[in-house]
Amino acid sequence: EDKVVQSPLSLVVHEGDTVTLNCSYEVTNFRSLLWYKQEKKAPTFLFMLTSSGIEKKSGRLSSILDKKELSSILNITATQTGDSAIYLCAVVGAGKSTFGDGTTLTVKP
Amino acid sequence: DTGVSQDPRHKITKRGQNVTFRCDPISEHNRLYWYRQTLGQGPEFLTYFQNEAQLEKSRLLSDRFSAERPKGSFSTLEIQRTEQGDSAMYLCASLRLAGDLHRTDTQYFGPGTRLTVL
Repeated sequence: EDKVVQSPLSLVVHEGDTVTLNCSYEVTNFRSLLWYKQEKKAPTFLFMLTSSGIEKKSGRLSSILDKKELSSILNITATQTGDSAIYLCAVVGAGKSTFGDGTTLTVKP
Repeated sequence: DTGVSQDPRHKITKRGQNVTFRCDPISEHNRLYWYRQTLGQGPEFLTYFQNEAQLEKSRLLSDRFSAERPKGSFSTLEIQRTEQGDSAMYLCASLRLAGDLHRTDTQYFGPGTRLTVL
């Protein structure tokens, strides 16, 4: 059974802080790992990672995959209140994509 | 707007009734997924299609749930004899599964259908 575990479950920081969110996985026939941001609606796509060690960046967000450790991290620098959301990690295997339960990030002014 | 649409956006029904949801994926996407999400949980996989073929169905899914994707375009998810435990957000996502692993697998969600079973 494919499995995705995210940590921490929740995180409270102040504006300007840097955060690191973790995702570890066990999946058959790994193809890719996806990060999403979810506010009070459906998840929105952030990053797709397939290769170890190659950082993907989008503004203040960045992510990297470690296939040896079966894990990925999502970094957010200079956090803003608008970053408050649930961050979901999903892994695409040979068939279905499996989601973790997410990390709830709260950024206080 | 991701290009994936779902209808209806909200559905309130009485226990025991049947409901059907529709998903229209991005046209060039070959895979279509259905998920269910409840508060505090990540999306839970229900089933997925590659073109018109239903390739996998969650073992957690009861026989009251059925999904179709005729002609490999839109998909429908039907829940028969709804129960209060079926109340959740039902999400559809479409994915362009790249043939080359060096290209991008991109998966986009529709807005979801929120089901409330009274």
